[in-house]
Amino acid sequence: DAKTTQPPSMDCAEGRAANLPCNHSTISGNEYVYWYRQIHSQGPQYIIHGLKNNETNEMASLIITEDRKSSTLILPHATLRDTAVYYCIVNDDRGSTLGRLYFGRGTQLTVWP
Amino acid sequence: DSGVTQTPKHLITATGQRVTLRCSPRSGDLSVYWYQQSLDQGLQFLIQYYNGEERAKGNILERFSAQQFPDLHSELNLSSLELGDSALYFCASSPTVGARGANVLTFGAGSRLTVL
Repeated sequence: DAKTTQPPSMDCAEGRAANLPCNHSTISGNEYVYWYRQIHSQGPQYIIHGLKNNETNEMASLIITEDRKSSTLILPHATLRDTAVYYCIVNDDRGSTLGRLYFGRGTQLTVWP
Repeated sequence: DSGVTQTPKHLITATGQRVTLRCSPRSGDLSVYWYQQSLDQGLQFLIQYYNGEERAKGNILERFSAQQFPDLHSELNLSSLELGDSALYFCASSPTVGARGANVLTFGAGSRLTVL
């Protein structure tokens, strides 16, 4: 079920920050925001997740608005290898939907030289 | 290498046939998930096993079945194949059901099935 809305495509210059938005206006209190990406026909790859605080790891940063209705995935210095489809997914960690991720269509990010 | 191993990588078969896709989860992971990715439907959850038992079913056809063995590897059986079953089939694993970050799945490289 589509709980998130993402732009179908974006592009970014190599070396610049890529900011990928996601709307999840119906998110419930115990649902996390997850980001995955899929490089052409490879298996999806987990990037980052968060509940309400901003999160950062070696791959990206996740900024979640205070009302939790939207978030932004930030790739601080995009490279050509970051060209992929990025999926924003909302799911809780304990319910019956655990592990049942709805990927939707995601955002095709193209990084150009 | 994600640690999740899927075989075969590619498979070409005819309509009406039966195939078995195999998945070895990442070491220590108890949960195995199967997903199907076709051009028109995108990535769809099929079924989940946890420590040998079926936990959840998604949009899995009755012609499809799966199991998880005591050594935690899993097999997805697809029978009476139709042209529309041509797709990428991904297996994923995660460590524990109910733990924080349990939706952090590690995916394999997939098995590409072509039905002619």
